[in-house]
Amino acid sequence: GQQVMQIPQYQHVQEGEDFTTYCNSSTTLSNIQWYKQRPGGHPVFLIQLVKSGEVKKQKRLTFQFGEAKKNSSLHITATQTTDVGTYFCARGSTLGRLYFGRGTQLTVWP
Amino acid sequence: GAGVSQSPSNKVTEKGKDVELRCDPISGHTALYWYRQSLGQGLEFLIYFQGNSAPDKSGLPSDRFSAERTGGSVSTLTIQRTQQEDSAVYLCASSPRSYNEQFFGPGTRLTVL
Repeated sequence: GQQVMQIPQYQHVQEGEDFTTYCNSSTTLSNIQWYKQRPGGHPVFLIQLVKSGEVKKQKRLTFQFGEAKKNSSLHITATQTTDVGTYFCARGSTLGRLYFGRGTQLTVWP
Repeated sequence: GAGVSQSPSNKVTEKGKDVELRCDPISGHTALYWYRQSLGQGLEFLIYFQGNSAPDKSGLPSDRFSAERTGGSVSTLTIQRTQQEDSAVYLCASSPRSYNEQFFGPGTRLTVL
């Protein structure tokens, strides 16, 4: 269907370790968006990927869109306590709405 | 500039009462979305407006839920005869147009006693 599967659901890392969350779809995606929600906050847009094989970087964050446009990943290098939160991927639809994944909740131990 | 605003920020109501939640999108944003988020859970889509029309209202949980948008701007989400399972944070988001990034408001935390 239209849903995107996001794994893992939870990830606990020591500060300085790397972190990756994956977003998978059974159908081809026109685009994928990533959002971050800090504890007690609201989701904030991070990035949108559109092209097959696209890779975008934001400081320690690397976003990838699969060659087949059926999966995407967000990788954080050398996590910091400020990276704590839930990371959501979201796919667009022909009707204009987004379908959000369930999110990956990241905990970073100092 | 001003972001998406929502009011009230918190609402405590008794079971069976009606509540109205308000969303003020970013000026000029034509797309507006309502979501619901229970504690520690993901985002549950409720309804989406493009201008004043709602192309997709498939996420409304029951006929107790309704939403409208007037003048292509402010939107209200109404929940009639509230139930305890309606307790959640209701988030509103707006977008310059469909398919673009969404800007979320701070949410309304609804508690039904």
